[in-house]
Amino acid sequence: ETGVTQTPRHLVMGMTNKKSLKCEQHLGHNAMYWYKQSAKKPLELMFVYNFKEQTENNSVPSRFSPECPNSSHLFLHLHTLQPEDSALYLCASSQDLLANEQFFGPGTRLTVL
Amino acid sequence: GESVGLHLPTLSVQEGDNSIINCAYSNSASDYFIWYKQESGKGPQFIIDIRSNMDKRQGQRVTVLLNKTVKHLSLQIAATQPGDSAVYFCAENIEQAGTALIFGKGTTLSVSS
Repeated sequence: ETGVTQTPRHLVMGMTNKKSLKCEQHLGHNAMYWYKQSAKKPLELMFVYNFKEQTENNSVPSRFSPECPNSSHLFLHLHTLQPEDSALYLCASSQDLLANEQFFGPGTRLTVL
Repeated sequence: GESVGLHLPTLSVQEGDNSIINCAYSNSASDYFIWYKQESGKGPQFIIDIRSNMDKRQGQRVTVLLNKTVKHLSLQIAATQPGDSAVYFCAENIEQAGTALIFGKGTTLSVSS
């Protein structure tokens, strides 16, 4: 295990639903990341948090809303998603923004109907 | 646009063979490179990294080669085993810049017995 957990592992939701993805890291890291992984595409960075402060929003639609209450927890709130948002959502953490190695969670497989 | 890419989306080898997975990058300012392995149902896992002041780095059964002249990176896996079957990603960034990794698309390695 990498020390990064994500729940739920699988999620099916309708376009009008509101749901949240949760990520927790047990590594004492200060930076956390959300990535979207779609088939046959590179990992797409969505958000970066460093010491609970958002440092990067990679032009992500507002229907994705991140929350970082502390350095160990990261949420991704979802509302009025589209079918093209179906993907694997990966959370990662690193010691800080200057640390190169990121530790990934197992991901949440999201299906939007 | 995508800065890092891989030459082949899939690679099939026999157990015991050596595998070579290639990656091309376009940003000559990148000075840090990392390889990740992603098994089915799991998040990416760190394999090995290399900095631009090196041409070669070896790990356990894996070797990363960096050719800065042609901006090419490769991962060599010796005596490939069925457990090596996974998607392999390269990623790059500029160390100390505080920016997140840029990932390539990935190569799916299939190892048959």
